[in-house]
Amino acid sequence: SYVLTQPPSVSVAPGKTARITCGGNNIGNKSVHWYQQKPGQAPVLVIYYDSDRPSGIPERFSGSNSGNTATLTISRVEAGDEADYYCQVWDSSSDHVVFGGGTKLTVL
Amino acid sequence: EVQLVESGGGLVKPGGSLRLSCAASGFTFSSYSMNWVRQAPGKGLEWVSSISISSTYIYYADSVKGRFTISRDNAKNSLYLQMNSLRAEDTAVYYCARDSGDLEWLCDSWGQGMLVTVSS
Repeated sequence: SYVLTQPPSVSVAPGKTARITCGGNNIGNKSVHWYQQKPGQAPVLVIYYDSDRPSGIPERFSGSNSGNTATLTISRVEAGDEADYYCQVWDSSSDHVVFGGGTKLTVL
Repeated sequence: EVQLVESGGGLVKPGGSLRLSCAASGFTFSSYSMNWVRQAPGKGLEWVSSISISSTYIYYADSVKGRFTISRDNAKNSLYLQMNSLRAEDTAVYYCARDSGDLEWLCDSWGQGMLVTVSS
């Protein structure tokens, strides 16, 4: 089955740029979606189809996808961005939705 | 405003059954595929099942296939998850999530979740 690999944690100072990676075999050939989940809350879609932003999501959030790595980039990080972030794809080989293990973003 | 409200969770013994419901409002339910996603305590998100707009296409995670059944009633704007032969490892918060279209395979709206605890 298809596996998505995320770093368990990423730390960044306020105002800096955070990059959260999502690794998968030829993930560049798939559409990647990213979700933000704050403690005790439901996930929220922050990036879809690799790099599109839903309405209401700040422009500070961006995404890219190429080769074996997709990346969620958060510019000018704020304290309110502290959350768990999950990448997700559809694996047509298995007809399964696949989530990465999640990355906890800590704002120092 | 899109609203998804789960119900039917609770405590159940191993081997028991439970039926989750998700009441949808604020959008044309019959135009969107729907999903169930769960999250065990302190763990990450795990996809459970998806159903297309007319129930023609249904998909399950390997961990629940043969035990769980997803269904929908477009006339009642409702999504369901029948869970049988429950195990301790099924303990999780279960989220109802709307697809962005018909099998676009992304969840653009989520319910608040419903806790299911499987324990003797």
